[in-house]
Amino acid sequence: AAGVIQSPRHLIKEKRETATLKCYPIPRHDTVYWYQQGPGQDPQFLISFYEKMQSDKGSIPDRFSAQQFSDYHSELNMSSLELGDSALYFCASSFGRPNYNEQFFGPGTRLTVL
Amino acid sequence: AQKVTQAQTEISVVEKEDVTLDCVYETRDTTYYLFWYKQPPSGELVFLIRRNSFDEQNEISGRYSWNFQKSTSSFNFTITASQVVDSAVYFCALRLGGSQGNLIFGKGTKLSVKP
Repeated sequence: AAGVIQSPRHLIKEKRETATLKCYPIPRHDTVYWYQQGPGQDPQFLISFYEKMQSDKGSIPDRFSAQQFSDYHSELNMSSLELGDSALYFCASSFGRPNYNEQFFGPGTRLTVL
Repeated sequence: AQKVTQAQTEISVVEKEDVTLDCVYETRDTTYYLFWYKQPPSGELVFLIRRNSFDEQNEISGRYSWNFQKSTSSFNFTITASQVVDSAVYFCALRLGGSQGNLIFGKGTKLSVKP
């Protein structure tokens, strides 16, 4: 069965650079969630989209933005990167309104900021 | 406020031992959902189970079992006859019943199963 695809899997950036993470949900899934997991930490919710509209916002820094496109894939744009942004970024997808069905997680993108 | 507490930071057992991972949650919502996820060393998050707040029936899936008790706000996870492949970080998570779909995770319990 198709799973959530995230690209790239690994990314190394310098401080103050920008990064774009991509998420391709499971086919027919229309809801996407982004989570950030720092080293040794639990995943923290950043933002979610349903039917290409932002549905909820968590602890996402102002330097970050995200959107969901017409094909339901989503991109997380991160600017002015800081050392503390080094983390594993997960995308999850589900079908239907947020809180309606299971979230299936992608393998994550490991971002390292030097 | 909503919160998930996994008091056990790390647990180490020898293969074939049974082990229980504790999870205590806090919410004032009457409708909510509880989850367990496994995160092996490779890093992905693997869904294990979901429980609705109105369904206190315990569940067994192979060597895994879950005990949901609303009276104590607990949703504990037991692995019977543990195996080395069970070594991972296990997260308990809470999702509320409103329009928000995001998961609130506990800090996780690192389980090490030694041969």
